[in-house]
Amino acid sequence: EAGVAQSPRYKIIEKRQSVAFWCNPISGHATLYWYQQILGQGPKLLIQFQNNGVVDDSQLPKDRFSAERLKGVDSTLKIQPAKLEDSAVYLCASSGHNYEQYFGPGTRLTVT
Amino acid sequence: AQSVTQPDIHITVSEGASLELRCNYSYGATPYLFWYVQSPGQGLQLLLKYFSGDTLVQGIKGFEAEFKRSQSSFNLRKPSVHWSDAAEYFCAAGGSQGNLIFGKGTKLSVKP
Repeated sequence: EAGVAQSPRYKIIEKRQSVAFWCNPISGHATLYWYQQILGQGPKLLIQFQNNGVVDDSQLPKDRFSAERLKGVDSTLKIQPAKLEDSAVYLCASSGHNYEQYFGPGTRLTVT
Repeated sequence: AQSVTQPDIHITVSEGASLELRCNYSYGATPYLFWYVQSPGQGLQLLLKYFSGDTLVQGIKGFEAEFKRSQSSFNLRKPSVHWSDAAEYFCAAGGSQGNLIFGKGTKLSVKP
């Protein structure tokens, strides 16, 4: 069984630029999550999708972050414009019916 | 507020010694509890989980954890640590919606 795929693995941008991350969950997993992991901290949930609907986006900075999962499969997370404090690893996870979340390798974003 | 606390930021143990990583949670009801491990540059791998029932749960790689409701704790243990166990360990708590709250992690170093 293929795991959660994410791309790119690394991205360096300047502040005020935009960036997008892509995630393809495990086949058949209805729930998809995006987490932000700042260095030295645990992951923090940004947004949770159930199929193509948003379940929880209470911690998503909506003035600059957006996410979509149009066909209920893969998802894109966008930041526009980026700030220095957005430097972090962005993790995508998916889960099926058993509440176990499987994580991708993450995208390490550096904003200079 | 819901939270997960991992009191130890960094622990060093000798190879072959036993290990216990502490985790305390604050949650409205008894949450689902998880331990994840993260190696450098990697995503998170699920070690074990507690949903209900037997309070001692077994996981992969020889790890186990014990849920203690009276202490709001879910400590991770391993009887004999291997050098390959060096990594960062995260405790997480969640509800039926699936969104997880993570602790800040404990970095484990293993001395030869």
